[in-house]
Amino acid sequence: KNEVEQSPQNLTAQEGEFITINCSYSVGISALHWLQQHPGGGIVSLFMLSSGKKKHGRLIATINIQEKHSSLHITASHPRDSAVYICAVGGGADGLTFGKGTHLIIQP
Amino acid sequence: DSGVTQTPKHLITATGQRVTLRCSPRSGDLSVYWYQQSLDQGLQFLIQYYNGEERAKGNILERFSAQQFPDLHSELNLSSLELGDSALYFCASSPGRAGEQFFGPGTRLTVL
Repeated sequence: KNEVEQSPQNLTAQEGEFITINCSYSVGISALHWLQQHPGGGIVSLFMLSSGKKKHGRLIATINIQEKHSSLHITASHPRDSAVYICAVGGGADGLTFGKGTHLIIQP
Repeated sequence: DSGVTQTPKHLITATGQRVTLRCSPRSGDLSVYWYQQSLDQGLQFLIQYYNGEERAKGNILERFSAQQFPDLHSELNLSSLELGDSALYFCASSPGRAGEQFFGPGTRLTVL
């Protein structure tokens, strides 16, 4: 079974800062997902990637398959980015395995 | 709005009872996934259905069961409820057997 580790667990930053959240996993995968969960509880899929890099607006996700590592970056962070960011891997016969999440707070 | 709907939003019940949670996937999506999110365990995958057939199974208890109907909506049945079953239950859908998943708003279950 895949083990998924996220760091940091908690992150508080000032508006405008560049944010990096890391995710490592133990077993080779076909795809990695980054999810965002807001305080109200809803979950939004941000990225699904299997190689390289993807960008949506101020969000960038990268993955290194050889090193079993992915990063989620937020440029020009804003208080509305405050949320829990969750990394998940897998999607085969065992379904997705989730990290514990990174609690991000962006202060004005 | 992801296009995935879940009912009810909140459910309060007693230990030993049985409840049914319902999920309607996005139009055209054939896969439905069920997840449980509790404070101590985090998000856990329960089960996936694809076009009416069970495709993947995770940490789903024997007291829990699910099915996907011909119209592709899905139901998660939880029986002999225990206090520890209190959690947020999410469903998600995707067009194919795998791929990006779109999450519903969740059902918050409280077992008293």
